[in-house]
Amino acid sequence: DAGVIQSPRHEVTEMGQEVTLRCKPISGHDYLFWYRQTMMRGLELLIYFNNNVPIDDSGMPEDRFSAKMPNASFSTLKIQPSEPRDSAVYFCASSPKRDTEAFFGQGTRLTVV
Amino acid sequence: GEDVEQSLFLSVREGDSSVINCTYTDSSSTYLYWYKQEPGAGLQLLTYIFSNMDMKQDQRLTVLLNKKDKHLSLRIADTQTGDSAIYFCAVPVHNTDKLIFGTGTRLQVFP
Repeated sequence: DAGVIQSPRHEVTEMGQEVTLRCKPISGHDYLFWYRQTMMRGLELLIYFNNNVPIDDSGMPEDRFSAKMPNASFSTLKIQPSEPRDSAVYFCASSPKRDTEAFFGQGTRLTVV
Repeated sequence: GEDVEQSLFLSVREGDSSVINCTYTDSSSTYLYWYKQEPGAGLQLLTYIFSNMDMKQDQRLTVLLNKKDKHLSLRIADTQTGDSAIYFCAVPVHNTDKLIFGTGTRLQVFP
């Protein structure tokens, strides 16, 4: 397996634009996590899914953020409208079952200007 | 909620030992993890310890767990320049599927 695949690797967008980040988890993994990493706040859990169902989205900063997992092999994180303070590295991770290792993608570096 | 704290920076000379510390609040965690993040990359699992263990050794890595004090440490023996990275401890939140990461410790190894 190629691991967790995220796209794009880098995204630069203007304030107010919609941004969509994509993730393909490892096949057979039941859990998918979206994290955001910034210098100020470290690594924050935004939302996670179990078997494609959103379980906890309490980490989503505000209504501008939304995440979907239409099937077991694909998830998106959307920001609309984007703001400069959303600039960060966004990681997707998957794990096979509860209390097991999380496998991380390479991340998407988002810059909102 | 779960709170996981680490010191931000550690600088060591090549060949010395490095000790990275982590404190957490939720004492009912089952496994506790150490992840490594190299520049421009995602996090990779380095090692882990089960909560009923005090110590785990894996080649140059030693993990110590003090459950009473809710303190976890990672010792790297004979630290090399290739060990320069950010190290995160990660703790599952009790009765959830969440994995909460510490603030990360940036390890710098100098010759």
